[in-house]
Amino acid sequence: DQQVKQNSPSLSVQEGRISILNCDYTNSMFDYFLWYKKYPAEGPTFLISISSIKDKNEDGRFTVFLNKSAKHLSLHIVPSQPGDSAVYFCAASDPTGKLIFGQGTTLQVKP
Amino acid sequence: DAGITQSPRHKVTETGTPVTLRCHQTENHRYMYWYRQDPGHGLRLIHYSYGVKDTDKGEVSDGYSVSRSKTEDFLLTLESATSSQTSVYFCAISEFLAGGQYNEQFFGPGTRLTVL
Repeated sequence: DQQVKQNSPSLSVQEGRISILNCDYTNSMFDYFLWYKKYPAEGPTFLISISSIKDKNEDGRFTVFLNKSAKHLSLHIVPSQPGDSAVYFCAASDPTGKLIFGQGTTLQVKP
Repeated sequence: DAGITQSPRHKVTETGTPVTLRCHQTENHRYMYWYRQDPGHGLRLIHYSYGVKDTDKGEVSDGYSVSRSKTEDFLLTLESATSSQTSVYFCAISEFLAGGQYNEQFFGPGTRLTVL
């Protein structure tokens, strides 16, 4: 039973446009949410996070939005760059700090 | 980058053989984790440690054991490897901030294990 879901396995966008990656969760006890980026043959790297007490967090080109009533979060990348092409995982943390990951979305940014 | 190394980086083994993967950190973080990554499943937690000799099971712990005798090392052992354990294994570390605030996990480079 997948508690964190990324329903889009892949996404393709043009360079300079916005990329929107989505994530849904089912457990209302999750209190912290993170996005990780992964390149082939490397470990995931932390990108951005948001606490459940906020609805938006911004860091440069990356913004994460949290809609608690819908149990939905999204990652916006503006403008998208070819170097952003990677697999993106959303993750949710329970109060003990353990992370539950989504299946990942492969983003391709075309020049 | 967080100081996390994993060894070996690649391993091919046969069904029924024992395998041990090592994670080493230089950050002195209290928490260490082992995940496996499989297509369609993202990363799934196998075991984690919240201190020396303190470990607990994760979501997919069957067939795996762990040990942590020093802060810097976290070992994952497959007692008798099976083909279903072919996967990419990632170690991660984290530390909780003062006041119970959460801190993100930092991941190692991964170990690709193939069980024939």
